[in-house]
Amino acid sequence: DQQVKQNSPSLSVQEGRISILNCDYTNSMFDYFLWYKKYPAEGPTFLISISSIKDKNEDGRFTVFLNKSAKHLSLHIVPSQPGDSAVYFCAARRFSSNTGKLIFGQGTTLQVKP
Amino acid sequence: EAGVAQSPRYKIIEKRQSVAFWCNPISGHATLYWYQQILGQGPKLLIQFQNNGVVDDSQLPKDRFSAERLKGVDSTLKIQPAKLEDSAVYLCASSLGIQVLGYGYTFGSGTRLTVV
Repeated sequence: DQQVKQNSPSLSVQEGRISILNCDYTNSMFDYFLWYKKYPAEGPTFLISISSIKDKNEDGRFTVFLNKSAKHLSLHIVPSQPGDSAVYFCAARRFSSNTGKLIFGQGTTLQVKP
Repeated sequence: EAGVAQSPRYKIIEKRQSVAFWCNPISGHATLYWYQQILGQGPKLLIQFQNNGVVDDSQLPKDRFSAERLKGVDSTLKIQPAKLEDSAVYLCASSLGIQVLGYGYTFGSGTRLTVV
């Protein structure tokens, strides 16, 4: 049962352009969504999050949009830089859970070409 | 602050052998997680500790996996006996409290296990 899905395994964009990474979820009980970035041979690094009561959160070049009716969120990176090349994971937490458990998507590999 | 430390970084074992991984969380972090990441998939929670008590181990294959957290600080994850499908990266993470809130939690670099 894949509750969090990232349907695009990979994405390639030109430096300076916008990167849009997408994530879909099925569980309406999720109350927090997070994006993690992972470089090879390193652990995932927290990037940005959004509460289910909001529809947008921005941090520098990174913006996350949440569409609850569509159960869809996206991460926008503007402008994209070669150093952004990494695997991006979408993750979600279930409301009222008494744990900090996160459910992750499969990841999308972003390549930013110079 | 120092990050989450894990060792070893890599391990190759034969099936049916045993293996152990070690994790030292960020100082003061009460919550510790072990995740398994199989190639091409996202991380999956195996077990979560709050101090030295288990909060969630619903996805831990208890017939072969075990974990403990000594004195609420360091933790070890053991597999005995290992199967081919256990080949994965084992990630340890820690956070201040049981609720992730909006800032996520900090992962270590992981241990890459290959079972042959």
